[in-house]
Amino acid sequence: AQSVTQLDSHVSVSEGTPVLLRCNYSSSYSPSLFWYVQHPNKGLQLLLKYTSAATLVKGINGFEAEFKKSETSFHLTKPSAHMSDAAEYFCVVSDQGSSYKLIFGSGTRLLVRP
Amino acid sequence: ETGVTQTPRHLVMGMTNKKSLKCEQHLGHNAMYWYKQSAKKPLELMFVYSLEERVENNSVPSRFSPECPNSSHLFLHLHTLQPEDSALYLCASSQVLGQPQHFGDGTRLSIL
Repeated sequence: AQSVTQLDSHVSVSEGTPVLLRCNYSSSYSPSLFWYVQHPNKGLQLLLKYTSAATLVKGINGFEAEFKKSETSFHLTKPSAHMSDAAEYFCVVSDQGSSYKLIFGSGTRLLVRP
Repeated sequence: ETGVTQTPRHLVMGMTNKKSLKCEQHLGHNAMYWYKQSAKKPLELMFVYSLEERVENNSVPSRFSPECPNSSHLFLHLHTLQPEDSALYLCASSQVLGQPQHFGDGTRLSIL
């Protein structure tokens, strides 16, 4: 069965410094992977998706993620954090049998210090 | 502007009440979804509709009853809920099943 593990429940960075949010996946096939962001009192917004094309995926707001099959990882990065990046981030894999079923990680809360 | 609108944003109800949550999407999508987001738990898929037909009922108790009258509207009818049903209920839509999902801002439900 597919699953994702977000290795950090909370990450704190200073404004202007790099962001790294870690995600490992488990899948017996080539998965579709996503990162979503949720700001307080808001729904989820798609940041980026990987669907077996380029392994380095660029998303919105300067975020990108790299699919590494050998490490079963799909970490989210951004070169320079902005205060508006403070939110909760979810790593997501789609179910092999039913691609519309999204399997969510437990989330990483990003805090950005001034 | 998300394109997926949920009403109400907040709802407080007693365990014996009957209420409905509404979701409307303005994106021309054909698939719609209900999720439950509880504190300290991953998002749980509840129901999936494609072209107004239910394709997924993810072992949800019968006190939750979905309705999809057309491809733009999705309802979640609630009756005799339990305190553990307090959560954020999120609606999403996608062009077709399997395409990226667009989420609404959710309804925060509190059961007294």
